[in-house]
Amino acid sequence: DGGITQSPKYLFRKEGQNVTLSCEQNLNHDAMYWYRQDPGQGLRLIYYSQIVNDFQKGDIAEGYSVSREKKESFPLTVTSAQKNPTAFYLCASSKTGSNQPQHFGDGTRLSIL
Amino acid sequence: QKEVEQNSGPLSVPEGAIASLNCTYSDRGSQSFFWYRQYSGKSPELIMSIYSNGDKEDGRFTAQLNKASQYVSLLIRDSQPSDSATYLCAVNDSGGYNKLIFGAGTRLAVHP
Repeated sequence: DGGITQSPKYLFRKEGQNVTLSCEQNLNHDAMYWYRQDPGQGLRLIYYSQIVNDFQKGDIAEGYSVSREKKESFPLTVTSAQKNPTAFYLCASSKTGSNQPQHFGDGTRLSIL
Repeated sequence: QKEVEQNSGPLSVPEGAIASLNCTYSDRGSQSFFWYRQYSGKSPELIMSIYSNGDKEDGRFTAQLNKASQYVSLLIRDSQPSDSATYLCAVNDSGGYNKLIFGAGTRLAVHP
């Protein structure tokens, strides 16, 4: 079954700790994205990547980092510089092209201990 | 700043009625428009795509697009309690890079 797998489903971060959220897709999509969603809010773009070894900052990249070493994988690290990391994190992927929809994984819910 | 505006709701409709969800967007160059459904605590699920002016029907769902007015809508006929969710409107960013601009969503509540 093709899809996008995010892990873990729930994650807890201690003060001063970096944590990494995993996102893997087997849809053969070139483009991948990370969004943050706060309660009652829309999706805010953190980082996106259109091709392996290349990625761009979104609207709220501060305190986050990513890598794109493989087409299938786009991990997100929430660093200690992100002072308010509690949110629902969504990974998405799409084919390239302006008419392509994005498809989402099941999300990771991050909380501060 | 490119924006997508939606009424946050809740929009409350009785079971069997038509639910009408609306969305306006600021990017005049946008060419692709999407509706996603998001159940509470879950991730968004694509339900409709529309690219041309007019109506597009898929089962109980109809998407309507008017590019001149920069307006997209979603009609849900014969609404069911299982349709209760938040509906997100998304439009492509004409600046490129495969980006979508999402609205904050409209919460729909269908009551028996």
